[in-house]
Amino acid sequence: EDQVTQSPEALRLQEGESSSLNCSYTVSGLRGLFWYRQDPGKGPEFLFTLYSAGEEKEKERLKATLTKKESFLHITAPKPEDSATYLCAVQAVGLTGGGNKLTFGTGTQLKVEL
Amino acid sequence: GAVVSQHPSRVICKSGTSVKIECRSLDFQATTMFWYRQFPKQSLMLMATSNEGSKATYEQGVEKDKFLINHASLTLSTLTVTSAHPEDSSFYICSARALLETNEQFFGPGTRLTVL
Repeated sequence: EDQVTQSPEALRLQEGESSSLNCSYTVSGLRGLFWYRQDPGKGPEFLFTLYSAGEEKEKERLKATLTKKESFLHITAPKPEDSATYLCAVQAVGLTGGGNKLTFGTGTQLKVEL
Repeated sequence: GAVVSQHPSRVICKSGTSVKIECRSLDFQATTMFWYRQFPKQSLMLMATSNEGSKATYEQGVEKDKFLINHASLTLSTLTVTSAHPEDSSFYICSARALLETNEQFFGPGTRLTVL
């Protein structure tokens, strides 16, 4: 069974204080690892997809990296508007229907303070 | 691009009634749509996968007769919660996978269902 574990559960940062969020996963065969941002009462917003170990992607203050066992979401010089819950999900290799399925972690709730 | 809408955003209903939630892909065609539910401070749990023109595939433990899914076109899927009870109160979110695109799923804004 595919599993995704995110840590920490919650993180408080001062504005400008860089940090990393962790996503550890176990999957029979990784098709893709996804990062989403979710604001309270809203649906997840797509950030990145990573497909193979060693891959990195960046978007503004965010950078996602991937190894064979985990992914990191690095936040550089965060601002209060980066406050949100960050979700990690994996998609396993499989048949068309099952291969589309995303298994989510419980997220890291990030709070960036002035 | 890749915008998904849901309607309604909030609904309050009495126990025993049925509620229909619509999910639309606004600027792309989606062969596959997904329905999730999310309880407070918990992650998204996949309920079912909806393919255009065929029956939905339900996850283990999800009652297909209670949660009726119809994927009528490449841009519309509906979830009907039949005979709703207070324990069905939750945040329901749909997502869509773009036709011929990569594996990204784009999510709607969610529907907050409260059953009294």
